[in-house]
Amino acid sequence: GAVVSQHPSWVICKSGTSVKIECRSLDFQATTMFWYRQFPKQSLMLMATSNEGSKATYEQGVEKDKFLINHASLTLSTLTVTSAHPEDSSFYICSAEGTQSGEKLFFGSGTQLSVL
Amino acid sequence: GENVEQHPSTLSVQEGDSAVIKCTYSDSASNYFPWYKQELGKGPQLIIDIRSNVGEKKDQRIAVTLNKTAKHFSLHITETQPEDSAVYFCAARNQAGTALIFGKGTTLSVSS
Repeated sequence: GAVVSQHPSWVICKSGTSVKIECRSLDFQATTMFWYRQFPKQSLMLMATSNEGSKATYEQGVEKDKFLINHASLTLSTLTVTSAHPEDSSFYICSAEGTQSGEKLFFGSGTQLSVL
Repeated sequence: GENVEQHPSTLSVQEGDSAVIKCTYSDSASNYFPWYKQELGKGPQLIIDIRSNVGEKKDQRIAVTLNKTAKHFSLHITETQPEDSAVYFCAARNQAGTALIFGKGTTLSVSS
């Protein structure tokens, strides 16, 4: 299957700082990328959908000013958690879809964010 | 919107036994149903998927069946092995470019 690279794998930061997570499609052009959040022993909750070159569409309850998403190229999307607080600690996962992947969505390896 | 229900939430089997996980969906327009395996601390890995114009699909020890009328689909794993132990998620969506809606997951434990 297609490869989606996500990093960092884990990050620890102080409360009030910002953290950037990168998601790259390595062998296909990702026309659409999705960002999910997952709490321990729970399912994946969609945060936002981003199409290359367009503003992201956020799910209800997700603060767009806190979770900044940029999808500037067909191979890269970034999620920046601004002014992180302990309640933002979670596992963040990106997924990507492209014309070459058909309908299949491939996921990155996830980023564990811990805010102290 | 779409709602996906998945059960059981936990499943324990002996090595060599079969495991079945079932999901139901609410949106009759959904036409794509993938299954993902997630190991601890990792992202979900696509293991098999099925489209609404197909009733069954098989890939070695893994198979998925789909009943569009009843709006449910199932994952079947035969000859289970300890390395099959993980959390399995079903998902659904109705068109390319839209996000997958996930079930709550099933924790499968295969004991040797």
